[in-house]
Amino acid sequence: GENVEQHPSTLSVQEGDSAVIKCTYSDSASNYFPWYKQELGKRPQLIIDIRSNVGEKKDQRIAVTLNKTAKHFSLHITETQPEDSAVYFCAASKFPRAGGTSYGKLTFGQGTILTVHP
Amino acid sequence: GAVVSQHPSWVICKSGTSVKIECRSLDFQATTMFWYRQFPKQSLMLMATSNEGSKATYEQGVEKDKFLINHASLTLSTLTVTSAHPEDSSFYICSARADSVEAFFGQGTRLTVV
Repeated sequence: GENVEQHPSTLSVQEGDSAVIKCTYSDSASNYFPWYKQELGKRPQLIIDIRSNVGEKKDQRIAVTLNKTAKHFSLHITETQPEDSAVYFCAASKFPRAGGTSYGKLTFGQGTILTVHP
Repeated sequence: GAVVSQHPSWVICKSGTSVKIECRSLDFQATTMFWYRQFPKQSLMLMATSNEGSKATYEQGVEKDKFLINHASLTLSTLTVTSAHPEDSSFYICSARADSVEAFFGQGTRLTVV
């Protein structure tokens, strides 16, 4: 099955700096890669996602890059703010229907605790 | 985005009792629902995938007789933790999706078994 590795496990930056979180995946058939932000005791919130037919996607201060050959993807947050502090998870999945039981299920990375200091 | 509601948000139960958690998609029909478990400071681990009207598919290592999943309608899936023990204490989160790639998460249920 799919295996997703995420680094670093903790990341501390000063307000205004950039933050980068990296993930690698093992299953070359995975084609959908979302990123989630989770605050303590709350549900994961989708912040950006990318499909395998795209190399980069940007939404204001957040961007994601994907290297299919190397099987890794990264989250970039620019101009970080204290409210960006949270746990961030990457994930990988397969779409469209791949058959069997693997359709649409997300395999998560281990998570990164991001702390943005004012 | 679509709304997924999970109930209860937290529950405390005695060891040996059973607890039922509900996951509802409020404004869309969820063809597939997923149940995850998250221990403190850890990632979300998929427990099972359920499709409406069929038996759930459990991940390796998850006891199907202990974690009963029912997906009787396109808007409701339930997870029942049977004969709960303290080691079952965790944060349980459901997610639901229709035909789009995005999965929408419930708010999670904090289960504490005493």
